[in-house]
Amino acid sequence: GAVVSQHPSRVICKSGTSVKIECRSLDFQATTMFWYRQFPKQSLMLMATSNEGSKATYEQGVEKDKFLINHASLTLSTLTVTSAHPEDSSFYICSAREFVSGGYNEQFFGPGTRLTVL
Amino acid sequence: GENVEQHPSTLSVQEGDSAVIKCTYSDSASNYFPWYKQELGKRPQLIIDIRSNVGEKKDQRIAVTLNKTAKHFSLHITETQPEDSAVYFCAASRDTGFQKLVFGTGTRLLVSP
Repeated sequence: GAVVSQHPSRVICKSGTSVKIECRSLDFQATTMFWYRQFPKQSLMLMATSNEGSKATYEQGVEKDKFLINHASLTLSTLTVTSAHPEDSSFYICSAREFVSGGYNEQFFGPGTRLTVL
Repeated sequence: GENVEQHPSTLSVQEGDSAVIKCTYSDSASNYFPWYKQELGKRPQLIIDIRSNVGEKKDQRIAVTLNKTAKHFSLHITETQPEDSAVYFCAASRDTGFQKLVFGTGTRLLVSP
């Protein structure tokens, strides 16, 4: 099956710093990537959808200036948490979808990034 | 927008018993319904999915049923094993446009030996 990687797997940072998380599709070209946030014992909440070469579409309530998403190539999307605060501590998961004509295309999830802001 | 509700939030069964998790959705245009299994600290893994043109799909011990009229779908696990213990999420999506998934709230399944 398709493989999606994320880096780093864990990051601890001080309040006020920025953190970049990378999401890569390793063996397919991802026309669309999704970024989710998951708090402990909660569901996955979609933050934004990014299509290669265009601006990301953010879900209601997600600050686009705080969570910067870049999808510069068909295999790489990045999420930058700017001026991180303790309430941003969470599990961030990306997923990638390869477009195949004729039907629904499965989303393949990355392994997630555990962000802890002190 | 779409809203997906999932019940129960926790489910404890004995090994060998069956487990059923139910979800309801609100968007009548949704036509793709995957189920994911997530172990602690890991990524969600697709275990089975169903499209709206079928009412039931089975894969070994796992089955999913869909009732489009009532807008609900269910996951059935038979002959449960301890390794089935995990959090299960249902999701719903339209098969058009951005195809974003809306997830249910999750069910923590515990299978006791």
